[in-house]
Amino acid sequence: EVKLLESGGGWEKPGGSLRLSCAASGFTFSSYAMSWVRQAPGKGLEWVSVITGRGDTSDYADFAKGRFTISRDNSKNTLYLQMNSLRAEDTATYFCAKFYSPSPVIIPAAPFDSWGQGTLVTVSS
Amino acid sequence: ETVMTQSPGTLSLSAGDSATLSCRASQSVSSNFLAWYQQKPGQAPRLLIYAASRRATGIPDRFSASGSGTDFTLTISRLEPEDFAVYYCQRYGNSPGFGQGTKVEIK
Repeated sequence: EVKLLESGGGWEKPGGSLRLSCAASGFTFSSYAMSWVRQAPGKGLEWVSVITGRGDTSDYADFAKGRFTISRDNSKNTLYLQMNSLRAEDTATYFCAKFYSPSPVIIPAAPFDSWGQGTLVTVSS
Repeated sequence: ETVMTQSPGTLSLSAGDSATLSCRASQSVSSNFLAWYQQKPGQAPRLLIYAASRRATGIPDRFSASGSGTDFTLTISRLEPEDFAVYYCQRYGNSPGFGQGTKVEIK
């Protein structure tokens, strides 16, 4: 059974930093690209970032470029999102998501077939 | 950037009714890279449909979908109590984007 467990959320002041983690199990982690998707309170889903299975290629939504960094440690089956220069509008629940198709090398064109339960990030002074 | 627009915003229906949800893309969705998700309050989204019309594993056949290019539809026949939720369409591939969601609520 695929399991994704996010952690690291919490309250932070504008301009601060947080590092989110997503512990994965139940599948060959290094074979799958992974993404972060966020959801502001009462709002819809918004894609944040993606990283290939090998971890050598990534991409970001425009709002995340230059502030957020996605990474992974395949020896620990863990995905990360380093968030710097946080803004009030970054307040959201952050989900990690697994792609439907294995893709160690390229960013796949595939839906997300497994999601974690999310971790809430609140940015406020 | 391809914008995904869902309609209606809310559908008020009764159990046993059929629901028709629409998703429109501002540009053609290549290779029908279109998915539908269901999300219940306090839960993560669940993949229902991918490749515009293919049901994901374990999804009951009362969920069906169709469409191509810029216009896509999710149909839920014979609504069950557990189907009342928010539904999102997603264009996947380069810089994936979601629609704003359609809430299917109990009338």
